[in-house]
Amino acid sequence: SYALTQPPSVSVSPGQTASVTCSGDKLGDRYTCWYQQKPGQSPVLLIYQDTKRPSGIPERFSGSNSGNTATLTISGTQALDEADYYCQAWDSSTVVFGGGTKLTVL
Amino acid sequence: QVQLVESGGGVVQPGRSLRLSCAASGFTFSSYGMHWVRQAPGKGLEWVAVLWFDGSEKYYADSVKGRFTISRDISKSTLYLQMNSLRAEDTAVYYCARQSSFDYWGQGTLVTVSS
Repeated sequence: SYALTQPPSVSVSPGQTASVTCSGDKLGDRYTCWYQQKPGQSPVLLIYQDTKRPSGIPERFSGSNSGNTATLTISGTQALDEADYYCQAWDSSTVVFGGGTKLTVL
Repeated sequence: QVQLVESGGGVVQPGRSLRLSCAASGFTFSSYGMHWVRQAPGKGLEWVAVLWFDGSEKYYADSVKGRFTISRDISKSTLYLQMNSLRAEDTAVYYCARQSSFDYWGQGTLVTVSS
């Protein structure tokens, strides 16, 4: 079955750029979505179709997808961006989530 | 505004059944595919099932196939998850979510499978 791999944790200093990766076989041939989840809250869609942001999502969140890796980039990271981040893709008619990455802003 | 409200969670013994509901509002329910996603305590997101927008197709994760059934009642704008033969490893918060890109999520309902 298809699998998506994310680093368990990423650390970034406030104001710097954070990159969260998501790896899967030929992932660039599929659309990838990204979600943010803060403790005790439901996930929120950040990026869909690799690069698109839903209305209300700040411009500092951006996405890319090529080859075997999709990347969520957070520019000018703020303390409120500290959260878990999940990538997601479709595998035929089923859905796969990455294991999640905990972003620490320190 | 779009709202998804899950209900039906609780504590259930292994081997028993439970039915979850997800009441939808603020959009044309019959025009959207819907998912169930779960999250075990302290763990990541796990996709459970999807129902196609036209109700024609249903797909399940291998971990629940044959035990769980996704369905909907358009007249009530409600999505369901019938969970049978529950196991301890089914303990999780269960979320319903809309569409292929999971653009809206409910607040979740906790299912605890324990004797």
